[in-house]
Amino acid sequence: GENVEQHPSTLSVQEGDSAVIKCTYSDSASNYFPWYKQELGKRPQLIIDIRSNVGEKKDQRIAVTLNKTAKHFSLHITETQPEDSAVYFCAASIMEYGNKLVFGAGTILRVKS
Amino acid sequence: DAGVTQSPTHLIKTRGQQVTLRCSPISGHKSVSWYQQVLGQGPQFIFQYYEKEERGRGNFPDRFSARQFPNYSSELNVNALLLGDSALYLCASSLGLRGRDNYGYTFGSGTRLTVV
Repeated sequence: GENVEQHPSTLSVQEGDSAVIKCTYSDSASNYFPWYKQELGKRPQLIIDIRSNVGEKKDQRIAVTLNKTAKHFSLHITETQPEDSAVYFCAASIMEYGNKLVFGAGTILRVKS
Repeated sequence: DAGVTQSPTHLIKTRGQQVTLRCSPISGHKSVSWYQQVLGQGPQFIFQYYEKEERGRGNFPDRFSARQFPNYSSELNVNALLLGDSALYLCASSLGLRGRDNYGYTFGSGTRLTVV
């Protein structure tokens, strides 16, 4: 079955700097890759997603890149702000078979002001 | 429009007991999925239901069961609770089962289950 590895487990950046979180997946059939942000005690919230027919997607300060050959995808946050501090999860799925998401272990992002 | 609602928000049970968790999807969403999130880990898939039928099951023991009702709400049942079942149980809903109806489904706030 699918396995998703996520790195780093914790990341501390200075406010205004960029943050990059990387994930690798094992199943080449996976074709949908969402990223979720989870603040302490709250629900995971979708922040951006990418499908396998796209190499990059941007939404304001957030971008995701996908390398299908290497089976890895990354989240890029530019101009980080204290409110970006949270746990970020990547996930992978084969959308033709329902919406079972396989999640990475998460990255704790701390933005220091 | 209400989001995905789950009840109860918190629950404390004793080992060996049974528990039922409830989820109401976003209006118009027909698919409900359940995930278990142990502290410090990513959510793990338990079940997916669509049109009242089980459409996917994760690697969980038979003590875990679920069902979906005609109004698309869902219940997750866990029997013979173990200490290791302590976790945040998340429900997620999506429009449908495949393709565009699946993308970016929405999670509820979860039920925090503590087994003592």
